[in-house]
Amino acid sequence: GQQLNQSPQSMFIQEGEDVSMNCTSSSIFNTWLWYKQDPGEGPVLLIALYKAGELTSNGRLTAQFGITRKDSFLNISASIPSDVGIYFCAGPFSGTYKYIFGTGTRLKVLA
Amino acid sequence: DVKVTQSSRYLVKRTGEKVFLECVQDMDHENMFWYRQDPGLGLRLIYFSYDVKMKEKGDIPEGYSVSREKKERFSLILESASTNQTSMYLCASSPLIGRRYNEQFFGPGTRLTVL
Repeated sequence: GQQLNQSPQSMFIQEGEDVSMNCTSSSIFNTWLWYKQDPGEGPVLLIALYKAGELTSNGRLTAQFGITRKDSFLNISASIPSDVGIYFCAGPFSGTYKYIFGTGTRLKVLA
Repeated sequence: DVKVTQSSRYLVKRTGEKVFLECVQDMDHENMFWYRQDPGLGLRLIYFSYDVKMKEKGDIPEGYSVSREKKERFSLILESASTNQTSMYLCASSPLIGRRYNEQFFGPGTRLTVL
């Protein structure tokens, strides 16, 4: 099925560093969702965005809904070891129940 | 908090067996979904349901069926398990209306191995 493009595919960072990742699509979305998945677990919803230009925070996480509605960004400030995992973006096809998921960004934090 | 639970975390079955994966959500959500997740292929939608007894095929329904007899419960059935159905299976639910209607909440997953 169709997927959203995420970059980077993987990141190795030092504890305390800030992290940025993005998600792009050729189609317009009305909602962007960001999930984190730990190994062997289901994805956990981090942030939901509903309006172009919207900037939403959840603790050290901040996500933005791109103005073009074709992209979204996730930033993590002052990373800690438990930030390790795979981060997915997702969005619903307009007018349907079907969702597209990003290819994922694998984050590893070095203590 | 929304809670989506899945009946098993790990399951090992033999080729040809009939397999039932159960999912229960406690937030009165109308929509429920079954995905499988494989390395390099991401999450792929198998089936979804938007109401009791209602179901629609997703992208990869072959070899699977579903049942939704009660609003809170959505079952995935592998009629005759095959080795290529070895995967991580994820259930999700979302409300039909309201502010959070687009937010899918996932269960912990069932890792199924078919021998």
